[in-house]
Amino acid sequence: DAGITQSPRYKITETGRQVTLMCHQTWSHSYMFWYRQDLGHGLRLIYYSAAADITDKGEVPDGYVVSRSKTENFPLTLESATRSQTSVYFCASSLGGGSGNTIYFGEGSWLTVV
Amino acid sequence: AQSVTQPDIHITVSEGASLELRCNYSYGATPYLFWYVQSPGQGLQLLLKYFSGDTLVQGIKGFEAEFKRSQSSFNLRKPSVHWSDAAEYFCAVGVYSGGGADGLTFGKGTHLIIQP
Repeated sequence: DAGITQSPRYKITETGRQVTLMCHQTWSHSYMFWYRQDLGHGLRLIYYSAAADITDKGEVPDGYVVSRSKTENFPLTLESATRSQTSVYFCASSLGGGSGNTIYFGEGSWLTVV
Repeated sequence: AQSVTQPDIHITVSEGASLELRCNYSYGATPYLFWYVQSPGQGLQLLLKYFSGDTLVQGIKGFEAEFKRSQSSFNLRKPSVHWSDAAEYFCAVGVYSGGGADGLTFGKGTHLIIQP
């Protein structure tokens, strides 16, 4: 029962560099999500995807790009990293649409932008 | 837009004592409500959820929560806490948007400290 796997778990990068955080789930869940967690803000939704090739913006999408060519993968790319993007990033998935479905979280990716 | 408020940033409870973590939500329709727990360095684990029906919901690890529509609240309770309950607790509300999911809106969390 692998669930959701995020990589890398820890990353330090420099301002202006491109960074991609990977997310892989083994449940064949339709929906996948990216959240960021910051002190004082809790978790905020960056992007979500209802199925392969379908993505939509969440609360804080600026500076991020996502893609979903396969159901099981949902990478998050910071095209030009900024210090304000230093955060913990959580990938999540749910079986179906609608909030009646439980959302399951990965263990997080700690990103530091220097 | 929906929102979730967790009024207590930190709560300290003695081991064996009872616990109540507060959560208030703002949403126009009947919400879907969740409590998650996050241990240090870990992801979020679902404790319990409310969709409809009985307003008292039982979860894992001995937790329960009660949905009170009149108070727009979904407080988490446990009759006797254990040192292993020390963690960050998040209340969340789920909503629909055009037939799909917008994901969850989270509160800012309550940090639970257990005193020996």
